[in-house]
Amino acid sequence: AQSVAQPEDQVNVAEGNPLTVKCTYSVSGNPYLFWYVQYPNRGLQFLLKYITGDNLVKGSYGFEAEFNKSQTSFHLKKPSALVSDSALYFCAVRGTYSSASKIIFGSGTRLSIRP
Amino acid sequence: GAVVSQHPSRVICKSGTSVKIECRSLDFQATTMFWYRQFPKQSLMLMATSNEGSKATYEQGVEKDKFLINHASLTLSTLTVTSAHPEDSSFYICSASSTEAFFGQGTRLTVV
Repeated sequence: AQSVAQPEDQVNVAEGNPLTVKCTYSVSGNPYLFWYVQYPNRGLQFLLKYITGDNLVKGSYGFEAEFNKSQTSFHLKKPSALVSDSALYFCAVRGTYSSASKIIFGSGTRLSIRP
Repeated sequence: GAVVSQHPSRVICKSGTSVKIECRSLDFQATTMFWYRQFPKQSLMLMATSNEGSKATYEQGVEKDKFLINHASLTLSTLTVTSAHPEDSSFYICSASSTEAFFGQGTRLTVV
């Protein structure tokens, strides 16, 4: 069975500072990993994905994530945080690269960027 | 990116009535769609996998007769909450996927 852990309920960062949102995963076989962002009372917006290839994945809004197989991690990063980045972030894993394969989400991390 | 439209965005209904939520894939055909439920300040809980032309696959603990799913076409899946009760009040989100999943805007259901 696949699972995702986001160890931090909340991350607080000052605007302009780098940010990291942590994610670790467990899956048999090759992992297919995703990050989504959710604003209040809205659906989820896709940020980026790791399927194969370079361990550093670049996504929307200046976000990137680093896949680390030995540590089974897929942390989300941004070099310089913006107040508008404040939202709820979800890491997700899919067991196979198939549209029929369900996606399992982590518990979410609330990112708060202070001016 | 691909667009998934979910309707309605908000609905208030009386206890005992049924509510239907629609999820449409606007620019790609989705043989599989997923329905999630999200409680306040919590993650998304997968309720069921909706399969076009066949029965939905429900996750453990989700009542099939309570949450009816129909996926009659490649672009439309519906979730009907039957005989709604206040504890069914929640945020329901659908998704359709190709390589990554695209999500609807969500439906805030309030049962009074």
